[in-house]
Amino acid sequence: DAGVIQSPRHEVTEMGQEVTLRCKPISGHDYLFWYRQTMMRGLELLIYFNNNVPIDDSGMPEDRFSAKMPNASFSTLKIQPSEPRDSAVYFCASTTIAGGGSAKNIQYFGAGTRLSVL
Amino acid sequence: AQSVTQPDIHITVSEGASLELRCNYSYGATPYLFWYVQSPGQGLQLLLKYFSGDTLVQGIKGFEAEFKRSQSSFNLRKPSVHWSDAAEYFCAVVGGAAGNKLTFGGGTRVLVKP
Repeated sequence: DAGVIQSPRHEVTEMGQEVTLRCKPISGHDYLFWYRQTMMRGLELLIYFNNNVPIDDSGMPEDRFSAKMPNASFSTLKIQPSEPRDSAVYFCASTTIAGGGSAKNIQYFGAGTRLSVL
Repeated sequence: AQSVTQPDIHITVSEGASLELRCNYSYGATPYLFWYVQSPGQGLQLLLKYFSGDTLVQGIKGFEAEFKRSQSSFNLRKPSVHWSDAAEYFCAVVGGAAGNKLTFGGGTRVLVKP
């Protein structure tokens, strides 16, 4: 498997613009997580899905942020409108709790999207 | 609520010397515990995990960690550090009411001197 794939790797945009980050989880994983990493706040969980359904979005900072998972192989995190304080690295991770394999319950991370809002 | 503390923000170690990174967690039962490593500009890579059983777990890249329930600790060790071990290390816990949510410590940045 190619692992968790995120795109784009880097995004530079201007304040007020809409930003869409994309994630393809590992095939067969039924949990998907979105994290944000900043120097000030470290790694924060924004939202996570189970079987494409949002389970906990308590970490989403405000209404400008939204996430969707239309199917098991794709998720998006959208920021509209973007602000300079949204500049961070956004990670997607996936896992499964099913089965008896050694990968059970381990979250695998994508390489991240570095977002800069000017 | 569960929490993870990594007391050391930065550690500098000479190449070839031993390394120990501290991690303390707060959780009511036996959690699932993880150590991840993040190299500059990269994502997080799993070093090792503890779910149950033997409290000394071996991971990749020569790392090991020991779970001590009495101290609520899960410290990471490596006997001899290589320059390529310079990175940021994160301890994390999952379990209980938090479901499958990973709670991360603040991270420890390791610098390796030649």
